[in-house]
Amino acid sequence: EAQVTQNPRYLITVTGKKLTVTCSQNMNHEYMSWYRQDPGLGLRQIYYSMNVEVTDKGDVPEGYKVSRKEKRNFPLILESPSPNQTSLYFCASSSDRTSGSYEQYFGPGTRLTVT
Amino acid sequence: AQTVTQSQPEMSVQEAETVTLSCTYDTSENNYYLFWYKQPPSRQMILVIRQEAYKQQNATENRFSVNFQKAAKSFSLKISDSQLGDTAMYFCAFRSYNTDKLIFGTGTRLQVFP
Repeated sequence: EAQVTQNPRYLITVTGKKLTVTCSQNMNHEYMSWYRQDPGLGLRQIYYSMNVEVTDKGDVPEGYKVSRKEKRNFPLILESPSPNQTSLYFCASSSDRTSGSYEQYFGPGTRLTVT
Repeated sequence: AQTVTQSQPEMSVQEAETVTLSCTYDTSENNYYLFWYKQPPSRQMILVIRQEAYKQQNATENRFSVNFQKAAKSFSLKISDSQLGDTAMYFCAFRSYNTDKLIFGTGTRLQVFP
């Protein structure tokens, strides 16, 4: 089954404790992205990756890091989480836009609470 | 920069009735894509319908259809014969032809009543 998986689905942590949210897709997609969803703000892009070893900032990258060492994986790293990073996080992937495919596939979301 | 505006934070409709959700966007580009995503209580993001800007014909997917007005930069979603399972948050999203990035509106929470 084609899918994007994220782990963990729920996480409660304390300020300053480094954490990683994993994302994996099995569709051989080139493009992967992280979004955060906050009430009244919709989804905003944090970072994206066009392919292996190619990453770039989205609209709200402060406080986050990413890496793309393998095509299928795109982990989101919070080196020193703060309460304002409490949010719902989504990973998404899509094939290269030149292929004519438009759809982005979303993971199930990770609910992160930083106290 | 592109922006997407959903001016209706909440809407409600009775089962079997029709409801229209509004979305406007701002862009200087001519080629782009527009999407409606549904987010039920499970929080999963589900693609409902998409529209290519170069197509004049409005997209339709079963009970879901759009009214795409390119000149007015408007992209509304019509849900016909509403069902209880349509209760969800609905997001309008824009994607430029030259990128894969989605720009989302703030969402409309739709409640379908029996």
